[in-house]
Amino acid sequence: QKEVEQNSGPLSVPEGAIASLNCTYSDRGSQSFFWYRQYSGKSPELIMFIYSNGDKEDGRFTAQLNKASQYVSLLIRDSQPSDSATYLCAANYGGSQGNLIFGKGTKLSVKP
Amino acid sequence: DAGVIQSPRHEVTEMGQEVTLRCKPISGHNSLFWYRQTMMRGLELLIYFNNNVPIDDSGMPEDRFSAKMPNASFSTLKIQPSEPRDSAVYFCASSLTGPYDFSLPNTEAFFGQGTRLTVV
Repeated sequence: QKEVEQNSGPLSVPEGAIASLNCTYSDRGSQSFFWYRQYSGKSPELIMFIYSNGDKEDGRFTAQLNKASQYVSLLIRDSQPSDSATYLCAANYGGSQGNLIFGKGTKLSVKP
Repeated sequence: DAGVIQSPRHEVTEMGQEVTLRCKPISGHNSLFWYRQTMMRGLELLIYFNNNVPIDDSGMPEDRFSAKMPNASFSTLKIQPSEPRDSAVYFCASSLTGPYDFSLPNTEAFFGQGTRLTVV
């Protein structure tokens, strides 16, 4: 059974702080990992994806992958109230990038 | 492009009725995905198509669910008969990719706005 696990939160951080979101996956066969952001009542939108061990940075966002530990994380620097949303971690086991197994998401709240 | 277009946005139906959800993928995209989202189970992949052909339908919960993609610009997800436990938000997503080219850039999946289905 392929699973992706996330802490449901809520995770509350003050504005300007670093938010750290974590995710583990069960199957070592996973090939790439995705972070989606979902605002309440809206559809998921991709923030970034990673498939090599190490860090990948995009603006205020950094994704980290450790395949040995089966662990993925997302760091959000200088958090803003507009970052308040549910963050979904997903794993791809081959095939199209849309063929994903999602975690249930972590709700992030950034307080002004 | 207008993005992935789903209809209807909201659907309320009675148990036992047939429900049809519709999706128009982004023009030029060759992969299409149907997902279901509930509080209990999160976001689950039901089925995906590549070049109009179903590649993996292992996520389809029961024979009551069926999906078709008669052409590159249209797909349907049908539930017959519907049950209250089918109540969820159903998302359609599309991407530009080959079936195994997961590492190519610009092949992310774009989601539609979803259809909120309520079966009473």
